[in-house]
Amino acid sequence: QQPVQSPQAVILREGEDAVINCSSSKALYSVHWYRQKHGEAPVFLMILLKGGEQKGHDKISASFNEKKQQSSLYLTASQLSYSGTYFCGTEMSNAGNMLTFGGGTRLMVKP
Amino acid sequence: NAGVTQTPKFRVLKTGQSMTLLCAQDMNHEYMYWYRQDPGMGLRLIHYSVGEGTTAKGEVPDGYNVSRLKKQNFLLGLESAAPSQTSVYFCASRYTSGKVSYEQYFGPGTRLTVT
Repeated sequence: QQPVQSPQAVILREGEDAVINCSSSKALYSVHWYRQKHGEAPVFLMILLKGGEQKGHDKISASFNEKKQQSSLYLTASQLSYSGTYFCGTEMSNAGNMLTFGGGTRLMVKP
Repeated sequence: NAGVTQTPKFRVLKTGQSMTLLCAQDMNHEYMYWYRQDPGMGLRLIHYSVGEGTTAKGEVPDGYNVSRLKKQNFLLGLESAAPSQTSVYFCASRYTSGKVSYEQYFGPGTRLTVT
């Protein structure tokens, strides 16, 4: 079942913060986050594993709440380069067979 | 390393025509995937493979067939194209090892239009 992302779209000014959420109705083993710029392929950001720690990469970090089956992506002090569509992909088990992607969150950072 | 490559990059088909999309990866990954992405939408899994000679259906397999004769290649076929198959097609590959989850590497995409 497809995870639900919120919000669907967000507009920020440079330097502002944003949070993107990804929720599942089923128990998850892992949550992946990818960013896709217009006309390009999705690019990997990070993976959150069940029982794992919060991850971070530069000013982008993420957490995984196992009780709620929800992951959140935190973008701090946003830069113009953060613009794009963010997708979460969820995995139900460690069989590693397939990810189910959410509908995406469009992020636009303005000067 | 070229990573994941896709051929062709663009294609226009008439309804009823057939074609094959080729995906190649040079990372020795076991797992490979075909997704389609419609405008403003997320990625939907068409078919996937967990190793040479194996294939499995994803979320939207109807109208497509796949083959994985060699570990590095994953082919997606459209036997009789329909306008509803107009989309951008992405191939991805993934390393796998025990209980750890690894990222997927995506190819650049193939933009297919069916008229």
